[in-house]
Amino acid sequence: RKEVEQDPGPFNVPEGATVAFNCTYSNSASQSFFWYRQDCRKEPKLLMSVYSSGNEDGRFTAQLNRASQYISLLIRDSKLSDSATYLCAEQGAGSYQLTFGKGTKLSVIP
Amino acid sequence: DTAVSQTPKYLVTQMGNDKSIKCEQNLGHDTMYWYKQDSKKFLKIMFSYNNKELIINETVPNRFSPKSPDKAHLNLHINSLELGDSAVYFCASSQNGLAEQYFGPGTRLTVT
Repeated sequence: RKEVEQDPGPFNVPEGATVAFNCTYSNSASQSFFWYRQDCRKEPKLLMSVYSSGNEDGRFTAQLNRASQYISLLIRDSKLSDSATYLCAEQGAGSYQLTFGKGTKLSVIP
Repeated sequence: DTAVSQTPKYLVTQMGNDKSIKCEQNLGHDTMYWYKQDSKKFLKIMFSYNNKELIINETVPNRFSPKSPDKAHLNLHINSLELGDSAVYFCASSQNGLAEQYFGPGTRLTVT
């Protein structure tokens, strides 16, 4: 059974802090990985795709560790506006299906 | 312009009724999806259509019937609604089945 596991949190961090989330996946054939952000009562929005070599977008860094089957999201210099639930998702090779984790809730406090 | 839109945004109905939710995307994508997000916020795929052809049909009661009249539209019809159907239903689309998915604003269904 394909599963994606995330620590549900909540993670309560002060503004300016660095916070990291991990997400483990059980499907060794997983090909593509993504981080989504979901605000309360809104739709999930794509934050970033996760590439094998790791990738960075401003304060956000995503990494993939295939050997240990996890992906990570690092947020530097947290802002109040980063408060949201962060969902990781994996997609098997040739599969149209995204499997989501249950999300990690982040609250950035002043 | 909204890329992926859904109607209605809210739907309150009684058990046993039949209802439909509509989704449209103006991104020119080939693949569209329906997801269900329950009260515990778990987001789960229900159906996927690629070029109007059903690709994914997860274990969903056959009271749920998707229909794709064309590449830009994917509707969801639900018969004999039950209390457990209460959830937020999200439509999504992607360029092809292997690319990033973009979500609509969701339809919050409440069955009383």
